[in-house]
Parts: sequence; structure tokens; C-alpha cells
Amino acid sequence: DAGVTQSPTHLIKTRGQQVTLRCSPKSGHDTVSWYQQALGQGPQFIFQYYEEEERQRGNFPDRFSGHQFPNYSSELNVNALLLGDSALYLCASSLGPLHHEQYFGPGTRLTVT
Amino acid sequence: AQKITQTQPGMFVQEKEAVTLDCTYDTSDQSYGLFWYKQPSSGEMIFLIYQGSYDEQNATEGRYSLNFQKARKSANLVISASQLGDSAMYFCAMRERNYGQNFVFGPGTRLSVLP
Repeated sequence: DAGVTQSPTHLIKTRGQQVTLRCSPKSGHDTVSWYQQALGQGPQFIFQYYEEEERQRGNFPDRFSGHQFPNYSSELNVNALLLGDSALYLCASSLGPLHHEQYFGPGTRLTVT
Repeated sequence: AQKITQTQPGMFVQEKEAVTLDCTYDTSDQSYGLFWYKQPSSGEMIFLIYQGSYDEQNATEGRYSLNFQKARKSANLVISASQLGDSAMYFCAMRERNYGQNFVFGPGTRLSVLP
């Protein structure tokens, strides 16, 4: 039973560039949430996708956008990268948007130079 | 105001002893959930335990138990019989019904288990 997978593992980008991160949910899960975790801090909620729509959004600018595909996988896009976007980006999946148990992936480490 | 407070940036515990990690939360919602996650150095967040605001019994999951004191708005994690593999960051989190069910995480506590 495959857990949550994310790609790539690591990524280095330059300020102003755009980046796309990918997430495949745990088998049977239909909801994907994205989090940003800066070094030494707890994760911050970016947004949640369910039924291919953004259902909830945290306090992140429009530079952060996402998508969910019919197979429930998801992408996180960040435009016009800033140095402050350097972080670990975590994807979590659950069975429905209200289920209390989320399974997290290993994350993508993004470094913006 | 901080929604989740974890006042212990770092904790040490001797192997096989019990340890309590503190968490206090702030909410005006009547319906909410409290969670604890473990994050090893590999980065993956591992779900440990959940407590609903209406649950009267404290949650337990194996060696993990949650000491839920609703009036004090605290949800401390107790790990019994600590193991070396318990060394990790531990995050307390809350999900409020009136705030779109978004998860809010605390700053975390780094637990080091000593042999």
C-alpha cells in the first residue's frame, strides 16, 4: 500500500522563477492538503483540494496556486519565487476533507537563491 | 495571538522513562480537534494521536496518551517508556470547525531520548 509520495525531493531555483511540486495521495484518499514548513517552524497550511477544487486556503498570496487531477494527485505552483519561499513543502492526504487523520509525504525541499 | 503554544523548545528524557510534552491552545470554537504529530529528521510528519473537543475520555494510542484539560485549554502528550527512536520534533496541532477546518500547528518541541 503506497503512502503519500512527492516529487522532486529537492529543488533549487532562482528568485523570480516558477516552480511546480507534485504529490500523489495515499491509495484510496481523495483529498490533498499542502503545507509550507520554514526551517525551525511548524507547518503552515497553504490550501486543500477535494473533488478537483480548492476547498480551503490559508494566508498565502495568489503566487501560490494548485491543481488536483481526476486521479486525486495534486500540484503546487509557486510563481515569482522569493527568497522567503525557501522551505520544506509537505503534502498530506486524507479520506475526505473533514477526516481527522492526515497522512503526510516526505516533502520537497525548495531552496531559492 | 498564537493559536497553539508549545513552551518547551527542547526536552531530554532518559530511555524507558515517561515524558510529557506541553501544548496549550486558543479557540472560541466549541467544536475542534487536537492532534500530535512526530517529525523525525527525515522530514515526514507522522500522525500520533487525536482528541476531539467533545471526547470525554483522554485519547490513547499505544505508548502515547493525550492529557486533555478542556477548561485549561491544554492537550499535553505523554509518551511512556521512551525509546531511542522517539527522538524527533513533536508538533501539536488544532483544527477548528469555524475556521474552515484548517490545521494550525504549534512551533514544536524537540525531544531527545538519552541512552
